[in-house]
Amino acid sequence: GENVEQHPSTLSVQEGDSAVIKCTYSDSASNYFPWYKQELGKGPQLIIDIRSNVGEKKDQRIAVTLNKTAKHFSLHITETQPEDSAVYFCAASKSNTGKLIFGQGTTLQVKP
Amino acid sequence: GAVVSQHPSWVICKSGTSVKIECRSLDFQATTMFWYRQFPKQSLMLMATSNEGSKATYEQGVEKDKFLINHASLTLSTLTVTSAHPEDSSFYICSASSGSYNEQFFGPGTRLTVL
Repeated sequence: GENVEQHPSTLSVQEGDSAVIKCTYSDSASNYFPWYKQELGKGPQLIIDIRSNVGEKKDQRIAVTLNKTAKHFSLHITETQPEDSAVYFCAASKSNTGKLIFGQGTTLQVKP
Repeated sequence: GAVVSQHPSWVICKSGTSVKIECRSLDFQATTMFWYRQFPKQSLMLMATSNEGSKATYEQGVEKDKFLINHASLTLSTLTVTSAHPEDSSFYICSASSGSYNEQFFGPGTRLTVL
């Protein structure tokens, strides 16, 4: 069945450094790839997304890249800040169902 | 825009009772709503998909008679956990979609504890 693998499961960086989280999806029909940030006890918050007709998208300190051939997509956070500390989830979906398949999550810790 | 609310934010109930959780899209019409369950330190698992005015579609392994979903309007979906047991204790999260480009907007979640 459809599957999304996310790595690493935990990531610790120093404030100001960059953080990269990677995901791989199995269904080649997937065409929408959002990234969510979840803080403890809260629902996921969409931080950036990318569609299959685009290879890269950037929003201030956050960027996402997509390699459709390899079925990989990655989240890049530059100049990390302590408030970036949270759990990050990648997901993939396709138009005919709209169902999101989530990765396992990455706990990001940014040390001051 | 794209705000989704859930009520209650947390609930504690006795084993055997039923609990209803509401999910509302506050500033858009949600043609589709999704219900997820999340156990501690785990990812979100889709339970069911509901479209306004029609029966929900449940994921494999999710008991439809235990988790009753009603999507009566374009702004409201409810999840009722019937005859709750301690193993149903979890964080339940809904999301709503207007159908545009697969985007889903998530609610803040409901923490259910069954004693």
